[in-house]
Formats: sequence, C-alpha cells, structure tokens
Amino acid sequence: AQSVTQPDIHITVSEGASLELRCNYSYGATPYLFWYVQSPGQGLQLLLKYFSGDTLVQGIKGFEAEFKRSQSSFNLRKPSVHWSDAAEYFCAVVHSGSARQLTFGSGTQLTVLP
Amino acid sequence: DAEITQSPRHKITETGRQVTLACHQTWNHNNMFWYRQDLGHGLRLIHYSYGVQDTNKGEVSDGYSVSRSNTEDLPLTLESAASSQTSVYFCASSEVRGAQETQYFGPGTRLLVL
Repeated sequence: AQSVTQPDIHITVSEGASLELRCNYSYGATPYLFWYVQSPGQGLQLLLKYFSGDTLVQGIKGFEAEFKRSQSSFNLRKPSVHWSDAAEYFCAVVHSGSARQLTFGSGTQLTVLP
Repeated sequence: DAEITQSPRHKITETGRQVTLACHQTWNHNNMFWYRQDLGHGLRLIHYSYGVQDTNKGEVSDGYSVSRSNTEDLPLTLESAASSQTSVYFCASSEVRGAQETQYFGPGTRLLVL
C-alpha cells in the first residue's frame, strides 16, 4: 500500500526566510501529488498539484514544489515566508486504479517568527 | 460562486445518539468524500461516493454510513455515537478531467461526543 511521509512534524522559520517542507511517498506507479494548507479552524485549501509534465509546479501564494522521481519526493518551497503562511501543511498522493483515493501525510505545522 | 458547505460547524452529542452531518456542494461534482482528522493521523477516509446511489467504504468506515440520493449532498451518519468518534470531519468533492482528479474540501465540522 502506498504511503506519504512528512518527516518534519513542526518547523519554525523567521519571516522573510526561505522554506522547504519535505514530502516522501511510497508508490509503485506514477503518482499524482498534492499539497494542501490548513489554517487554524479552517478547511484544507489546495496549494498546488502535480499530474505529469514539468516537474516544477507553481501554486498559489508564491509556493512551488518539485517532483523528483529518483528520490520519491515532492517537497514544497517558498523563497520568502510571510507571517500569514503560519499553518499546517499536508502532502497527499492519489491511489491509482478504481479507488482514486487520496492518502495524506500526517502534516507539518509551520510557525513563523516575526 | 460554486462551493462546498458543511453543517453544523460544531456539534456536541452524547454517547449512543445518532448524529448526521450534512455536506452540500454546488459544483455538480460526481465524486464526494468524507474524512476525519485526528492529531497524528492526518486525514483518513471514511466513505466515498462516485455518483447517485453509489457509496463505498473507506479506511475507517466502522460506525459510519452515508447515502447519496442526489448529486449535491452526501450526509454522514454516526449510527450510535462513541467517544472515539470525537473528531473534526471534512467533506470533499472532486473535479475530474480525464485521469486527473482534484479534491476540494469543505470547512469542517467539529464533533464532540460526551
């Protein structure tokens, strides 16, 4: 069965610093990959997605992610973090076949220091 | 604008009671999903539906049921609420373009079972 690992439970960065959130997946076929963000008390908002093609994907709010098949990774990056980016971030991969279900990582909580 | 809504946003109930959580989407999506979110587990799939009259069990379906009588709604019922079902519940629907499917989430329902 496929799985998604987010190795960092909690990350703290200073405002203006760069950010990289790690995501590794275990999946036999070509994965469809997603990053979602959840602000406190809110639902999940889609940041970006990868289906095929260019392995560097641009998303909303200045985020990007790079699919690296050789490393089974889909890390999320932002060059300069804003205080409003403080939230929890979830990586997810979709099943193949008839199920087409999302499997989520356990999330990374981002704290931004002023 | 099309959207996905959940009601109630907060619910307190007692052990043994039947509870129904509503989910309504106006995107005309065929696919709808229910997840629960618990600390340390990310989001786990409870039930899903690929269209009217279609329902399927997910990873953690015991104690839950769904019905799909129209495209817009997928209510989630807890047959006899248990304290272990205290959680935040998210509904999602998905846009499908060929083999590419993207899920969009509602704001969540926070359920407390006493």
